[in-house]
Amino acid sequence: DQQVKQNSPSLSVQEGRISILNCDYTNSMFDYFLWYKKYPAEGPTFLISISSIKDKNEDGRFTVFLNKSAKHLSLHIVPSQPGDSAVYFCAASVYGSGYALNFGKGTSLLVTP
Amino acid sequence: ETGVTQSPTHLIKTRGQQVTLRCSSQSGHNTVSWYQQALGQGPQFIFQYYREEENGRGNFPPRFSGLQFPNYSSELNVNALELDDSALYLCASSLSSSGPTDTQYFGPGTRLTVL
Repeated sequence: DQQVKQNSPSLSVQEGRISILNCDYTNSMFDYFLWYKKYPAEGPTFLISISSIKDKNEDGRFTVFLNKSAKHLSLHIVPSQPGDSAVYFCAASVYGSGYALNFGKGTSLLVTP
Repeated sequence: ETGVTQSPTHLIKTRGQQVTLRCSSQSGHNTVSWYQQALGQGPQFIFQYYREEENGRGNFPPRFSGLQFPNYSSELNVNALELDDSALYLCASSLSSSGPTDTQYFGPGTRLTVL
């Protein structure tokens, strides 16, 4: 049962524009959310995270928004750069299993020049 | 600072065989988690080890087992391999398992193919 869902398998954005990646979750026990970026032949790289007590967290060009009532989070990348082209995974953690990460299926972002 | 390393990079086995995958944690990290990523899917949590003890387990059968050594390196063992075990196996290390903010750092993975 997929508890973290990324319903857009792919997204294409022009360089300089905003990229918005979306993620929905079903388990109300999740209290920490993360975004990872993955290039081919590499492991996922941590990007940004947010606790459930916040609704926004910003780090440079990356901002994550959390809407707990809607069980929805999004990652905004502004401005998008060609080097941002990668697969982005949304993940949520559950207390009780060493904060194991529950991942979505990923969204492949392509930033075109 | 050395990152998370995994070996081997690729592995081909036949159904019914056993396999051992290895992971070296990032320097200073005492917690290691293993994930299975099937094609087109996100990584799925297998289990986690903290100070050589299993600290949590996902929905995987007992034929998936692990070890963590005093130097915090780790092994994932899979017995009686099935075709569906074909996947990328990812190891992630973190400083502790005491809180969600302990970022997990991933290795490049081992690609296992079961024929």
